[in-house]
Amino acid sequence: KQEVTQIPAALSVPEGENLVLNCSFTDSAIYNLQWFRQDPGKGLTSLLLIQSSQREQTSGRLNASLDKSSGRSTLYIAASQPGDSATYLCAVSRTDSWGKLQFGAGTQVVVTP
Amino acid sequence: NAGVTQTPKFQVLKTGQSMTLQCAQDMNHNSMYWYRQDPGMGLRLIYYSASEGTTDKGEVPNGYNVSRLNKREFSLRLESAAPSQTSVYFCASQLSSANTGELFFGEGSRLTVL
Repeated sequence: KQEVTQIPAALSVPEGENLVLNCSFTDSAIYNLQWFRQDPGKGLTSLLLIQSSQREQTSGRLNASLDKSSGRSTLYIAASQPGDSATYLCAVSRTDSWGKLQFGAGTQVVVTP
Repeated sequence: NAGVTQTPKFQVLKTGQSMTLQCAQDMNHNSMYWYRQDPGMGLRLIYYSASEGTTDKGEVPNGYNVSRLNKREFSLRLESAAPSQTSVYFCASQLSSANTGELFFGEGSRLTVL
């Protein structure tokens, strides 16, 4: 069974610092990996999607890498801002069940002014 | 730009009562999903519908039923609510479960079972 782990569970950084969020998974037979953002009391917003054949994806200040062999993905957020405060979740889908995502528990990020 | 709409947003039930959570999407997506989110456990898939007319169990289906009413709507029913079903429920949609598209989520339905 696929296990998805996000460490740390919570993180606090001063504004301007780069954020590094980690996601690890136990089964390398993944179809894709997605990073989501969740604001308190809200739904999830997709940030980046990395196909299993890709090594990274970038969108603005966000960059996500994928290393299937080591079972790891990292989300980098450059020059953090207070508006980046949220919970970040990663999710993987297997090659044999594309749409069914396995989620990590998330990392709660606070960016202090 | 509604996207995925869930109703109700909040609900309190007594043990044994029944209710239905409604979900509708206006993006012409084929696949729809119901997840539950509990503290410290991430989201877990309850049921999904890969396309209109089909439904399948996810990781935690016990105590729930679903109906894919049409392409737009996917409902989740609790026949006899239990305190263990206190959770936040999210509906999501995707263009197709067979492609690489991202999931779009509703804002959640917060259910408390007393």
